[in-house]
Amino acid sequence: GIQVEQSPPDLILQEGANSTLRCNFSDSVNNLQWFHQNPWGQLINLFYIPSGTKQNGRLSATTVATERYSLLYISSSQTTDSGVYFCAVGNTGTASKLTFGTGTRLQVTL
Amino acid sequence: DGGITQSPKYLFRKEGQNVTLSCEQNLNHDAMYWYRQDPGQGLRLIYYSQIVNDFQKGDIAEGYSVSREKKESFPLTVTSAQKNPTAFYLCASTSEGRDREGEGYGYTFGSGTRLTVV
Repeated sequence: GIQVEQSPPDLILQEGANSTLRCNFSDSVNNLQWFHQNPWGQLINLFYIPSGTKQNGRLSATTVATERYSLLYISSSQTTDSGVYFCAVGNTGTASKLTFGTGTRLQVTL
Repeated sequence: DGGITQSPKYLFRKEGQNVTLSCEQNLNHDAMYWYRQDPGQGLRLIYYSQIVNDFQKGDIAEGYSVSREKKESFPLTVTSAQKNPTAFYLCASTSEGRDREGEGYGYTFGSGTRLTVV
């Protein structure tokens, strides 16, 4: 099956700093999503982005499908950004089953 | 408000016991999924269903069973055959369609059930 690698595994930032999280995948995809898991375990969908670039407030994401990677940018980080960020990919149709990476654990400190 | 409700939040199971985790959605989504998350790990797919009365095994289906008798409901049973069931279980759903820009829809997750074997 498709492999998903995320880097870095852990990241500590001071509030206000910017960061880039990377997701590499081993095969072509038609579904790529980024999620944020808060400390209580709730997963929130950030982006549906199998290709191209999207922005939502301080977050943006870019997927270069031909080179099999996606980047999540967090600007002016806040303590509420802490948690685990997951990239998940699928290649079996619109509502495809997703394969998740192991995540990037982000801690934003004051 | 629309969403996915998982219950219970915490569940304790004795050895040899079957337990059922509930997942209900009122989003009118076609597809529903069950994932398992172990500490410090990503999510692994247990079962998924894209239509009522039909479901498919995921990557780690052994020791689990599901049903999809109603569009809104996708319960997961953890059977005694599952040797290491202690984990965080997450249910998700999504629409099969496309939005006005021709894109697919993202997943919506429930808040999860933490299952512990005692």
